[in-house]
Amino acid sequence: DAKTTQPPSMDCAEGRAANLPCNHSTISGNEYVYWYRQIHSQGPQYIIHGLKNNETNEMASLIITEDRKSSTLILPHATLRDTAVYYCIVSSAGGKLIFGQGTELSVKP
Amino acid sequence: DAGVIQSPRHEVTEMGQEVTLRCKPISGHDYLFWYRQTMMRGLELLIYFNNNVPIDDSGMPEDRFSAKMPNASFSTLKIQPSEPRDSAVYFCASSWATGYQPQHFGDGTRLSIL
Repeated sequence: DAKTTQPPSMDCAEGRAANLPCNHSTISGNEYVYWYRQIHSQGPQYIIHGLKNNETNEMASLIITEDRKSSTLILPHATLRDTAVYYCIVSSAGGKLIFGQGTELSVKP
Repeated sequence: DAGVIQSPRHEVTEMGQEVTLRCKPISGHDYLFWYRQTMMRGLELLIYFNNNVPIDDSGMPEDRFSAKMPNASFSTLKIQPSEPRDSAVYFCASSWATGYQPQHFGDGTRLSIL
């Protein structure tokens, strides 16, 4: 079973920031938080990952709470091409990912 | 750089036939993963390899499924005999061995068993 909880769906206006929450209250000290997304009929795409510090790359920002029990993925200026299912995954060494149902993000014009 | 390459992209075959799905990982990646995605069960890990050796096959549904990795640049997932309930999209992914590295996915094989 997935170790994370995400809302099943969210809407976001084009050009606005999309903030996708994830709850992982049972995360262990050696587990990272990963975010992937899957655009319709394509393979999942890696977005970002982090352990305890906030992270930022060219795609998104990841904010992890101090107790590490939850995180938020931020897409700063959402576009229509960001419409996808977003998966929050907790994983330790060995690379085994367990995908949940994710959040279906719809970016609307 | 070339990503993970899967073939065929689409496969339609009749029940009882043998099906072979192929995957070429990203050069230099030491881990290779096979996933299956269906509407009912979502994205499931079937098996993964490290340095061509199967590490965890607990997700393989039954003996009709088998996977091999004869060398670092090629892997196959075989279903024999195939059944309609095997219809799904099968994804291959690869990653670096060291540290907490992200997985890179191929575009998948859409399999339909009639």
